[in-house]
Amino acid sequence: KNQVEQSPQSLIILEGKNCTLQCNYTVSPFSNLRWYKQDTGRGPVSLTIMTFSENTKSNGRYTATLDADTKQSSLHITASQLSDSASYICVVSERSNDYKLSFGAGTTVTVRA
Amino acid sequence: DAGVTQSPTHLIKTRGQQVTLRCSPKSGHDTVSWYQQALGQGPQFIFQYYEEEERQRGNFPDRFSGHQFPNYSSELNVNALLLGDSALYLCASSLGGGGWYEQYFGPGTRLTVT
Repeated sequence: KNQVEQSPQSLIILEGKNCTLQCNYTVSPFSNLRWYKQDTGRGPVSLTIMTFSENTKSNGRYTATLDADTKQSSLHITASQLSDSASYICVVSERSNDYKLSFGAGTTVTVRA
Repeated sequence: DAGVTQSPTHLIKTRGQQVTLRCSPKSGHDTVSWYQQALGQGPQFIFQYYEEEERQRGNFPDRFSGHQFPNYSSELNVNALLLGDSALYLCASSLGGGGWYEQYFGPGTRLTVT
């Protein structure tokens, strides 16, 4: 079973609207959680990174939240733009196995005009 | 400053053949990690190289092997290709290999096995 589960699998939103993506993880002990944006056919690009002591981290119109108690994270996209169309991947690092990152399957976001 | 580069961009091979993929890390980075990403899935960790040694390995068979050169560039070799090896292969570089270090990904090599 994957240790990082993301939902929804995909979503379609209209340009200018907001959306929220979810990430649940079972990785323990937890070190840090990252959100990546991956354009089609390209490598992932880091958006945010949070430790267990951080509740929220912003990067422009992207805001990530983390609840380390419930092992849940969300990524909120504000005022979506066509360029936000991509796959968003949640990645969790395990403190006891620092070299290996656990990736979620991603949420595919399509922004329509 | 060049980012992570990978070659080739696309590759088509037949079952049973062998393939070598190449990666040049971001300037100043000493650690290279390789990932396999099947269509519609998240990347799966293959292995990580640091100081020319394989430091950590994911759940991939021995058909997958790698190498890191003194200039920190790396190769991924896959022998006896199977149809299931068709995927996007991503290389990521970092300064240090721990989970705290930011990994920068290359554009990937799309491998198709027929």
